[in-house]
Amino acid sequence: DAGVIQSPRHEVTEMGQEVTLRCKPISGHNSLFWYRQTMMRGLELLIYFNNNVPIDDSGMPEDRFSAKMPNASFSTLKIQPSEPRDSAVYFCASSLRQGQNTIYFGEGSWLTVV
Amino acid sequence: AQTVTQSQPEMSVQEAETVTLSCTYDTSESDYYLFWYKQPPSRQMILVIRQEAYKQQNATENRFSVNFQKAAKSFSLKISDSQLGDAAMYFCAYRRGDTGTASKLTFGTGTRLQVTL
Repeated sequence: DAGVIQSPRHEVTEMGQEVTLRCKPISGHNSLFWYRQTMMRGLELLIYFNNNVPIDDSGMPEDRFSAKMPNASFSTLKIQPSEPRDSAVYFCASSLRQGQNTIYFGEGSWLTVV
Repeated sequence: AQTVTQSQPEMSVQEAETVTLSCTYDTSESDYYLFWYKQPPSRQMILVIRQEAYKQQNATENRFSVNFQKAAKSFSLKISDSQLGDAAMYFCAYRRGDTGTASKLTFGTGTRLQVTL
């Protein structure tokens, strides 16, 4: 079975440019999560969706970040404009809604903003 | 709010030996689930083991087992017969049970495990 698929795996961009990260959750999963990992702050939850509806976006750092889930099989995380402090590994993860279910992670998108 | 604490930033173990990674958590919930994830240098987050809070029996997966002490809110990971491939960052994580809506994973800060020859 295919796992959570993220793209791009690596991206290097210049400050001020728009960055779009993409995620395809595991088929049948109805909860989707975006996490960010940095050395300084560890793993942070940015936003999560249930049945394509955002449930909690309190972790989104600022207005430069936005996330969408137009359908059950696709989500995007957009940063506009990007800044060097946005450099991190961004993980998408999915699960069935109920808490007893394991959350499975994609391989991550490594973002470097120069 | 739930919190997860890993007090050991780094641990080291010799190959074939046993090591225990510590984790404590704080919650007022009665229905929850605990997980250990492994993150090797590739940065992939890999599920190692999970424990249901309502189960008294400790979970076991091959060389990996947990010591779940619910009253003490402790959830340690024991790795037996350590292998070089076990070298990684290990994260303890908490998830609330079914709340009628999706629930998130709350992570600890991680423990970096080194395996030496």
